[in-house]
Amino acid sequence: KQEVTQIPAALSVPEGENLVLNCSFTDSAIYNLQWFRQDPGKGLTSLLLIQSSQREQTSGRLNASLDKSSGRSTLYIAASQPGDSATYLCAVNGGATNKLIFGTGTLLAVQP
Amino acid sequence: DVKVTQSSRYLVKRTGEKVFLECVQDMDHENMFWYRQDPGLGLRLIYFSYDVKMKEKGDIPEGYSVSREKKERFSLILESASTNQTSMYLCASSNGKWREGWNEQFFGPGTRLTVL
Repeated sequence: KQEVTQIPAALSVPEGENLVLNCSFTDSAIYNLQWFRQDPGKGLTSLLLIQSSQREQTSGRLNASLDKSSGRSTLYIAASQPGDSATYLCAVNGGATNKLIFGTGTLLAVQP
Repeated sequence: DVKVTQSSRYLVKRTGEKVFLECVQDMDHENMFWYRQDPGLGLRLIYFSYDVKMKEKGDIPEGYSVSREKKERFSLILESASTNQTSMYLCASSNGKWREGWNEQFFGPGTRLTVL
């Protein structure tokens, strides 16, 4: 059964810092991995999608990497801003269930 | 930009009522999904549809049904609402083929349902 873990569960950093969020998964037979952000009481906003054949994807200050063989992905946020404060979720698509399996999220607070 | 809309942001219903949650997407996506999100339990898939009139059960289908009569619209139905169905309901859509790996999923703003 695919399990997705995100560490840390919560993170607080001062504005301007670069930071890394981690996502690990137990079954490497995935089609792709997606990173989302969620603001309190809102829906999910898609940030990046990495296909299983890719190593990384970039969008603005965000860079996501994928190491399928070790079951890990990281989301790198450069020069963090207070507006980056949100919960970040990773989700893997594929494996035995062929469904999108979500991690429990990392709650990020960027202090001004 | 992909847009997924949900009919209500907040909804309050009574136990035993029949409840309809509507979701519409404007990007001609084949696949649509209904999730619920609860503190400590994360997001759980209720039902999904990979084509018009086609549906598949997710992880927690009990107490729910769905309808997809048109490609752009996917409805979640609570036949007889109960208090344990109080939750945030999220709709999503994507391209791609089921069993070949869906593409990027796009989510709606969510409906906060309270059942009294």
